[in-house]
Amino acid sequence: NAGVMQNPRHLVRRRGQEARLRCSPMKGHSHVYWYRQLPEEGLKFMVYLQKENIIDESGMPKERFSAEFPKEGPSILRIQQVVRGDSAAYFCASSPDRVYGYTFGSGTRLTVV
Amino acid sequence: AQTVTQSQPEMSVQEAETVTLSCTYDTSESDYYLFWYKQPPSRQMILVIRQEAYKQQNATENRFSVNFQKAAKSFSLKISDSQLGDAAMYFCAYRTNRDDKIIFGKGTRLHILP
Repeated sequence: NAGVMQNPRHLVRRRGQEARLRCSPMKGHSHVYWYRQLPEEGLKFMVYLQKENIIDESGMPKERFSAEFPKEGPSILRIQQVVRGDSAAYFCASSPDRVYGYTFGSGTRLTVV
Repeated sequence: AQTVTQSQPEMSVQEAETVTLSCTYDTSESDYYLFWYKQPPSRQMILVIRQEAYKQQNATENRFSVNFQKAAKSFSLKISDSQLGDAAMYFCAYRTNRDDKIIFGKGTRLHILP
């Protein structure tokens, strides 16, 4: 089992461009979570998805950010018209159900220049 | 509001010694989970230890153990026989049984001195 795979590991975007972050959960895991980590901070919850459904998006900014977890393929976190303040590490985690603990990926570091 | 507080931004310990990282949390829930995660320079988030609030016995994983004081809402991590590979950021975290999001503290950076 390859674990939670995130790509790219590093992503550089100019202000105004779009960023697309991908997360492939562990095999058999149907629950996906996205977190954001600002420098020298802990992780902050953004969104929780199950296949084809957004369950909780209370931590995700209402504008420019969206997430999906289609029936086939990875979960995608999309940030439109990126700004410098979007620079952070974005982590994905997956679990087989609500009760079991998460397994985190290694994160994508987004830098907006 | 549920919060997790780590009052020690940085700590240092001599190799082979024991160190304790502090964590307090605030909640009105009775059923919840507490975690310690390790984040080395590779950035990978690694689960170190987990405690269910309904369990009175403190969790232990090899050289890692916790001191869970439910009434005081305290959840400290003790690392025995510290090794160079223990150097990392350590995050205390909390999750209720009703909710799916994990709430993290700001972390403690642990340095191991050879």
